[in-house]
Amino acid sequence: AQKITQTQPGMFVQEKEAVTLDCTYDTSDQSYGLFWYKQPSSGEMIFLIYQGSYDEQNATEGRYSLNFQKARKSANLVISASQLGDSAMYFCAMRAWDQGAQKLVFGQGTRLTINP
Amino acid sequence: KAGVTQTPRYLIKTRGQQVTLSCSPISGHRSVSWYQQTPGQGLQFLFEYFSETQRNKGNFPGRFSGRQFSNSRSEMNVSTLELGDSALYLCASSPGQMWENTEAFFGQGTRLTVV
Repeated sequence: AQKITQTQPGMFVQEKEAVTLDCTYDTSDQSYGLFWYKQPSSGEMIFLIYQGSYDEQNATEGRYSLNFQKARKSANLVISASQLGDSAMYFCAMRAWDQGAQKLVFGQGTRLTINP
Repeated sequence: KAGVTQTPRYLIKTRGQQVTLSCSPISGHRSVSWYQQTPGQGLQFLFEYFSETQRNKGNFPGRFSGRQFSNSRSEMNVSTLELGDSALYLCASSPGQMWENTEAFFGQGTRLTVV
């Protein structure tokens, strides 16, 4: 089965520091996609960034970048110059075939807290 | 442009009742996927609709069903509610089918409480 592992249940970071959220994935598919989402306490899942398995360049969106290491099956999210508003749950997800369905498979999430 | 709209935001239902949740995707998006989020199980895929047809289905019992209308709006129905159905239900809107998506935007969710 396809699987996403986020090994950091919680992280505490000082404002303005950079932060790396870890994500490793397990898949036998050749074609897949990796997504990162932010979920504030309000519940909405906010799409941050996408990386395709065939993309050679690491994806970047503003302060967010994805450190994609295909051989290690790693897709870490890097947030530069963290802000208080970055405090939230962060989910890594993989688009893949799993149990007969094409879907997003999510990790358990990392709760990020930015301290002033 | 408007984002993904889910209604209602909150629901309280009694065990045994049925419930219908609604999701209006981003204009021009044709795919709607539904997910259940609980503290114990995390985010789990329910189903995906594209062009009014169910394209993918997760491992949920038949009490969970859905449909999509010609304007891409989708509804999810849960019959014979159980306490374990209490969850945040999220829908995701995408331009194309799941296998080709490079983006998927979620709504704010419907928080269902079964008592």
